[in-house]
Amino acid sequence: NAGVMQNPRHLVRRRGQEARLRCSPMKGHSHVYWYRQLPEEGLKFMVYLQKENIIDESGMPKERFSAEFPKEGPSILRIQQVVRGDSAAYFCASSRADGYTFGSGTRLTVV
Amino acid sequence: GEDVEQSLFLSVREGDSSVINCTYTDSSSTYLYWYKQEPGAGLQLLTYIFSNMDMKQDQRLTVLLNKKDKHLSLRIADTQTGDSAIYFCAEQASGGSYIPTFGRGTSLIVHP
Repeated sequence: NAGVMQNPRHLVRRRGQEARLRCSPMKGHSHVYWYRQLPEEGLKFMVYLQKENIIDESGMPKERFSAEFPKEGPSILRIQQVVRGDSAAYFCASSRADGYTFGSGTRLTVV
Repeated sequence: GEDVEQSLFLSVREGDSSVINCTYTDSSSTYLYWYKQEPGAGLQLLTYIFSNMDMKQDQRLTVLLNKKDKHLSLRIADTQTGDSAIYFCAEQASGGSYIPTFGRGTSLIVHP
């Protein structure tokens, strides 16, 4: 059981480029949650997905951000035309009955 | 709306007990969680408590829940330097999409 796998661990992008963050949930889990952690802030919910469906995207910025969880393959969080304010740690979690299992995160740095 | 508040820092001596406090606002919370985040790592679930419980003990960890005051605490007995981390409180309401809301985290610093 490999747990929740996120890649890459670190990602550096120039302003205006695109960032793609990947998350593979725990085996047998079909629910994925993306959170963002800004420096010295808590975790902010972004989006909740099930296979091929977005269930709740109330925490997603209206522009430049999108997420998908296809039938096959990992969930992808996509940030277009990145800006310095997008620099943060992005965590993915998959749920089980007694809590959420988090991946180790992707640390995005926009230069 | 949901809101979870924690103090930002706690400093203790090695061997002492640490108590990390959390308050929440959603009275329909069913699960309350404590997560630990070590530097550069993801969040690790430490323990959780159902809203119909007052206390839960797991080795050095004791969770106390005062549902009337919407107050949750995590006590770590015999705190060690390896306990230095950020501790997040989270609550999950019974309604809506069951998405937990996290506090900002308490940085626990353990010094010799």
